[in-house]
Amino acid sequence: GAGVSQSPRYKVAKRGQDVALRCDPISGHVSLFWYQQALGQGPEFLTYFQNEAQLDKSGLPSDRFFAERPEGSVSTLKIQRTQQEDSAVYLCASSLTIGVTEAFFGQGTRLTVV
Amino acid sequence: AQTVTQSQPEMSVQEAETVTLSCTYDTSESNYYLFWYKQPPSRQMILVIRQEAYKQQNATENRFSVNFQKAAKSFSLKISDSQLGDTAMYFCAFMKQTRNQFYFGTGTSLTVIP
Repeated sequence: GAGVSQSPRYKVAKRGQDVALRCDPISGHVSLFWYQQALGQGPEFLTYFQNEAQLDKSGLPSDRFFAERPEGSVSTLKIQRTQQEDSAVYLCASSLTIGVTEAFFGQGTRLTVV
Repeated sequence: AQTVTQSQPEMSVQEAETVTLSCTYDTSESNYYLFWYKQPPSRQMILVIRQEAYKQQNATENRFSVNFQKAAKSFSLKISDSQLGDTAMYFCAFMKQTRNQFYFGTGTSLTVIP
């Protein structure tokens, strides 16, 4: 596609519910990143994929967070047993290859846990 | 650890005037990249300007320019001839040369007043 696409744009979840957030990166982009942006804050790194390999998951806040990119294109960020502190915008970004500094961001998914 | 500090939570400027947004960072790395990203209400992060730390010359992109002071670890953004479309959150970001991960500041909300 022309840009990074994320779905859904908005998600309201009841506390304890599982959610899945989808990211479609730009076609052919090797690197894919997930960031979490709390209200009034800058984005914070969650995890990084190079093709299908998850090379860095050091930013995932707990074992309730899980990300995958099984075929090296679309990625899904899953949050199990959502808590109120998980409420944030989740941004996905992709870049053409390793070491390329220009990353393209999607419009994010705003998750609200009630 | 890398930290990025933006000390101006909010700023405003009259249309057609010039405004400067401040950013300082802390790192022990010698080679790295610095960025300014714009985030409008649509939430999509848009690259404004990029600076390689090994380059002494300040980057410019049309109305946008930076003042990069490596020794002082300062990276300010100057917007000339401000336009209404410049109204957005602006994030300063740092990237190590060896890893494709951004460290963002907390942002500056810029309002251009007609």
